[in-house]
Amino acid sequence: KQEVTQIPAALSVPEGENLVLNCSFTDSAIYNLQWFRQDPGKGLTSLLLIQSSQREQTSGRLNASLDKSSGRSTLYIAASQPGDSATYLCAVSTGNQFYFGTGTSLTVIP
Amino acid sequence: DAGITQSPRHKVTETGTPVTLRCHQTENHRYMYWYRQDPGHGLRLIHYSYGVKDTDKGEVSDGYSVSRSKTEDFLLTLESATSSQTSVYFCASGPARNTEAFFGQGTRLTVV
Repeated sequence: KQEVTQIPAALSVPEGENLVLNCSFTDSAIYNLQWFRQDPGKGLTSLLLIQSSQREQTSGRLNASLDKSSGRSTLYIAASQPGDSATYLCAVSTGNQFYFGTGTSLTVIP
Repeated sequence: DAGITQSPRHKVTETGTPVTLRCHQTENHRYMYWYRQDPGHGLRLIHYSYGVKDTDKGEVSDGYSVSRSKTEDFLLTLESATSSQTSVYFCASGPARNTEAFFGQGTRLTVV
């Protein structure tokens, strides 16, 4: 069974800092990996989708990388802002479903 | 955002009663999913559908059933609610297998 781990579970940084969130998975036979953002009491907002054949994807201040062979992905957030405070989830697709990590709770301090 | 709406958004029910949660999408997506989110477990798949009347079980399907009679609607039923089914339930949809998934706002269900 696919296991997805996100470290750290919580992260607090000052505004303007660049930061990296980590995601690791145990089975490298994935179709894609998706990063989501979840605000308290809200649903999941898709941030980036990386297909298994890709190495990275970028959207604005966000850059996600994928190293399928080592079972790792990172989400890089540049010049963090207080509005980036949320929980970030990664999910890997192995066929008909996504397996989720438990998330990293990010707080950006003004 | 993809047009996915869940109803109700909040529900309190008693142990042993049947409960149905509804997911409606306006994107004509073929795939739809039901997940539950619990502290310490992340999101776990309950059931999914790959077309009208085509459904399959996920990793935590015991005590749940689903139906999909139209492309846009995916229903999740708790036949006899238990306290262990207290959770936040999320519906998701996607155009095809292994493509981007889009999520609804969630339903917070409390079984007392």
